[in-house]
Amino acid sequence: QQQVKQSPQSLIVQKGGISIINCAYENTAFDYFPWYQQFPGKGPALLIAIRPDVSEKKEGRFTISFNKSAKQFSLHIMDSQPGDSATYFCAASGFTGGFKTIFGAGTRLFVKA
Amino acid sequence: GAVVSQHPSRVICKSGTSVKIECRSLDFQATTMFWYRQFPKKSLMLMATSNEGSKATYEQGVEKDKFLINHASLTLSTLTVTSAHPEDSSFYICSARRGRGTGELFFGEGSRLTVL
Repeated sequence: QQQVKQSPQSLIVQKGGISIINCAYENTAFDYFPWYQQFPGKGPALLIAIRPDVSEKKEGRFTISFNKSAKQFSLHIMDSQPGDSATYFCAASGFTGGFKTIFGAGTRLFVKA
Repeated sequence: GAVVSQHPSRVICKSGTSVKIECRSLDFQATTMFWYRQFPKKSLMLMATSNEGSKATYEQGVEKDKFLINHASLTLSTLTVTSAHPEDSSFYICSARRGRGTGELFFGEGSRLTVL
């Protein structure tokens, strides 16, 4: 119940295209859903996050879509750029489990120039 | 955003020695810090939750005598890998949460440990 399932494992997108990464969760007690971006040899950095009281959040080229009934959320990267090439992790946290953050398996994104 | 500093970024040690990694929240007080281990091309594996002034809570399968965690102040947590062996070689990352409950985690830059 604590799992967060992320897909795809890897993704190749042309420059200017849309990158879409999906995540699904089981625990309805989760109330915070962040996406992290990680470059090789670096720690993850928060990209964007959403709480379940909204269905969409947009920050620049990054958008989270949230479907509470389906227990799914996704990251859309518009106008993908080579500099977006990185590993992306979705995550979830909530009261259950002592507010620990549960991470998805990660998606390695490569944007072709 | 808030800054979490992790040191050292890289460390190479001989088998049998102990290594200490520091994690500092530079501009906020962190009552809770987390330590993760990350294998190549894998996700972050939570090792333990570190609460200021109390004992760390370790995840199942993590040896508490091997990985000593101390959270002596609201801005500093340390991870000591004791009697390190080559299989302990990994990328260790700390994170700190500002405030309580759910919310943004601020991550350190990670520490690459290589045990010869």
